[in-house]
Amino acid sequence: QSVLTQPPSVSAAPGQRITISCSGRSSSIGANYVSWYQHVPGKVPKLLIYDDDKRPSEIPDRFSGSKSGTSATLGITGLQNGDEADYYCATWDSSLRIGVFGGGTKLTVL
Amino acid sequence: EVKLVESGGGLVKPGGSLTLSCEASGFSFEDSVMHWVRQGPGKGLEWVSGISWSRPSTGYADSVKGRFTISRDNAKNSLYLHMNSLTPEDTAFYHCVRDGRGWYGDPFFLDWGQGTLVTVSS
Repeated sequence: QSVLTQPPSVSAAPGQRITISCSGRSSSIGANYVSWYQHVPGKVPKLLIYDDDKRPSEIPDRFSGSKSGTSATLGITGLQNGDEADYYCATWDSSLRIGVFGGGTKLTVL
Repeated sequence: EVKLVESGGGLVKPGGSLTLSCEASGFSFEDSVMHWVRQGPGKGLEWVSGISWSRPSTGYADSVKGRFTISRDNAKNSLYLHMNSLTPEDTAFYHCVRDGRGWYGDPFFLDWGQGTLVTVSS
């Protein structure tokens, strides 16, 4: 069981917008930055968002991140077929002194 | 170009040991916090261990604490994971990961190696 809780799956049609939630606790998301990763099976995970809402320069602005309290959200607009992947949130747990990932959310583009 | 190349994976019997290595290039390894992250078959990503860049601080997931040891050799630009008392639950791809943060704690996982497969089976 993951320390961070994500929905197992989400789906939408091309061009639409989706959000993926990530719920933690006061010592994890509530106290530390959240990052998000895209993982296409067979490829290496890719950093999408860091420090809650910052994008690496190569990541398009269709991807966004936000955080409120002990929850974080990844948003993807203008869905494309190539966005089909597993998406993971991650953070640090200050109490346990460990890195933690969410269980992952499988995005299906219909 | 950042490169992280893992090696040392393979088939090992339950109770056995294995040491993974990661050779880093393309960035200042001695100034970088490093981690191991694994993904088991049909499972999600799991943080395994992390190590700071000097006077090393280390951390471990509960699932590996007491069995795995992370270490680094800055002179060789290399990261290691020494794994003992392996169980089938340790079967996974193990990725060497560079932290984008300049200090240990509150990481984000910036650069990933392709991973090396560890299979624990009799």
